[in-house]
Amino acid sequence: DAGVTQSPTHLIKTRGQQVTLRCSPKSGHDTVSWYQQALGQGPQFIFQYYEEEERQRGNFPDRFSGHQFPNYSSELNVNALLLGDSALYLCASSLEGTGGETQYFGPGTRLLVL
Amino acid sequence: AQSVTQLDSHVSVSEGTPVLLRCNYSSSYSPSLFWYVQHPNKGLQLLLKYTSAATLVKGINGFEAEFKKSETSFHLTKPSAHMSDAAEYFCVVSDRGGSNYKLTFGKGTLLTVNP
Repeated sequence: DAGVTQSPTHLIKTRGQQVTLRCSPKSGHDTVSWYQQALGQGPQFIFQYYEEEERQRGNFPDRFSGHQFPNYSSELNVNALLLGDSALYLCASSLEGTGGETQYFGPGTRLLVL
Repeated sequence: AQSVTQLDSHVSVSEGTPVLLRCNYSSSYSPSLFWYVQHPNKGLQLLLKYTSAATLVKGINGFEAEFKKSETSFHLTKPSAHMSDAAEYFCVVSDRGGSNYKLTFGKGTLLTVNP
């Protein structure tokens, strides 16, 4: 049973560029959430996708956008990158309904913005 | 609004001695509470969760936590620390208002285990 997978594992970009991160949820899961973890901090909620719609969003600017595909996989896009966007980006999956509060995390994508 | 306060940013113990990582929470609804562990350069692994069943919750690797509503606490314990327990630990709350399960993390507690 495959867990949550993310790609790429590491990424280096320069300021102003755009980046796309990818996530495949745990088998059987239909909900994907994205988190940003800055160095030395706890993860911060970016947004959550269910049924291909963004249904909840944290305190992040519109430069952060996402998408969920019919197979439940998801992408996180960040435009106009800033130095402060350097972080570990974590994807988590869950199953809507009973037990949906339990989220399982992938290994993350480490983004460095120069 | 929900929030989590981890009372210690760093805890250091000797191998074989007990571990106590403290967590207080604030929640508008009946909360679900979790502890996750993060080893260096790794993702987050679920240790245990409380979702309104038994207040004493047992998790993996010998960890357990007790939900105390009157104290709004959810402290993590282990009777005997192992070197492999050295990691960052996060206390997490999820409000069960509606079906949107946003997780709110504490700032983390770094556990160091000395030989």
